[in-house]
Amino acid sequence: DAKTTQPPSMDCAEGRAANLPCNHSTISGNEYVYWYRQIHSQGPQYIIHGLKNNETNEMASLIITEDRKSSTLILPHATLRDTAVYYCIVRAPSNTGKLIFGQGTTLQVKP
Amino acid sequence: GAVVSQHPSRVICKSGTSVKIECRSLDFQATTMFWYRQFPKQSLMLMATSNEGSKATYEQGVEKDKFLINHASLTLSTLTVTSAHPEDSSFYICSAPGTSGRVTGELFFGEGSRLTVL
Repeated sequence: DAKTTQPPSMDCAEGRAANLPCNHSTISGNEYVYWYRQIHSQGPQYIIHGLKNNETNEMASLIITEDRKSSTLILPHATLRDTAVYYCIVRAPSNTGKLIFGQGTTLQVKP
Repeated sequence: GAVVSQHPSRVICKSGTSVKIECRSLDFQATTMFWYRQFPKQSLMLMATSNEGSKATYEQGVEKDKFLINHASLTLSTLTVTSAHPEDSSFYICSAPGTSGRVTGELFFGEGSRLTVL
């Protein structure tokens, strides 16, 4: 599975958009980009995933560059409850495949 | 979304005792479940893959005799920490693929179980 690189931490003002970058320059053609987040002392929560097209759901938007070597998770209107560690993971889709977590980005939403 | 539940959420035990943590898929069946461990201020580390009806697959460096995994049904996997020691104190999290019949790659996670060994 391709390795990802994320900034260790970011701050965002409440109500503003939070843009979390992820580099995955060695991504393969069949690998998807998955985003999860973990609020303190809870299990991780699935956010969104995509292959090459931009994706949007009720939680966030995922923008993937045309060469697929990087992506950005966008939380359009961050709230204090969005403070969490955000993990970007790249791998091929599989119902039996495991997810390997990197260090992620700690997002601190400030009032 | 699919719901995965863990029990207990917190457990304190004495050194040398064994502790069992249950992981249940509440509204779907899971032939595979994954167990992770997380130490404070660190990321999740995959321990093992639990397979229904067969032996678990352990990641390198994880002692299979210490961390016993049983996946006896399509909705239940258990992790037993045997002869627990203080260094086993950690946050244990299970997960399962949430959608059967459609390959999506999403995993749904339990709430986690915090083990403290005195």
